[in-house]
Amino acid sequence: GESVGLHLPTLSVQEGDNSIINCAYSNSASDYFIWYKQESGKGPQFIIDIRSNMDKRQGQRVTVLLNKTVKHLSLQIAATQPGDSAVYFCAEESNFGNEKLTFGTGTRLTIIP
Amino acid sequence: DAGVIQSPRHEVTEMGQEVTLRCKPISGHDYLFWYRQTMMRGLELLIYFNNNVPIDDSGMPEDRFSAKMPNASFSTLKIQPSEPRDSAVYFCASSLRRYGYTFGSGTRLTVV
Repeated sequence: GESVGLHLPTLSVQEGDNSIINCAYSNSASDYFIWYKQESGKGPQFIIDIRSNMDKRQGQRVTVLLNKTVKHLSLQIAATQPGDSAVYFCAEESNFGNEKLTFGTGTRLTIIP
Repeated sequence: DAGVIQSPRHEVTEMGQEVTLRCKPISGHDYLFWYRQTMMRGLELLIYFNNNVPIDDSGMPEDRFSAKMPNASFSTLKIQPSEPRDSAVYFCASSLRRYGYTFGSGTRLTVV
């Protein structure tokens, strides 16, 4: 079946540096992708999304890149701050009669002061 | 807006007891989702509703789990009887037209 996977389960980054979190997806029919951030004891929080007709989208300090050729998604966080420490999930959705988001296993990002 | 509200935040119950988790979605949202999160399995979709109607319950583990949405502002997830393996964090999320889920803070369920 389809699955969403992450290349790295943990990532440690120096404060102020840029972070890149990667995600591979296997369902070529997926046309909508979201990145979520989950802090300890809280529910996942929407960060940024991208549709399959785009290859890049920018938000405040975050950029999502989508490479449909290799089915790869990445989240770039600029100038990381201590508050960025969390688990980050990518999620995908197919438009073909399936309204469900499928979540990856998550990457834990730790910011080193 | 208060966001998605779940209750209780924590629930400890004995094996065999009935557990009811509650969710109030964001007003105006037409989709409601119930997820379960564990260390081993991550985030799993249990069931979702569109306009109060259950659309897909294929993620519900077994007949011990049931969910209802009697109106647009309230949903319940019930486990009867509960088992230790049901211990997890249960999240409710709502969205408008499928996109950009907003999650609640979750209910941490411990079955002993």
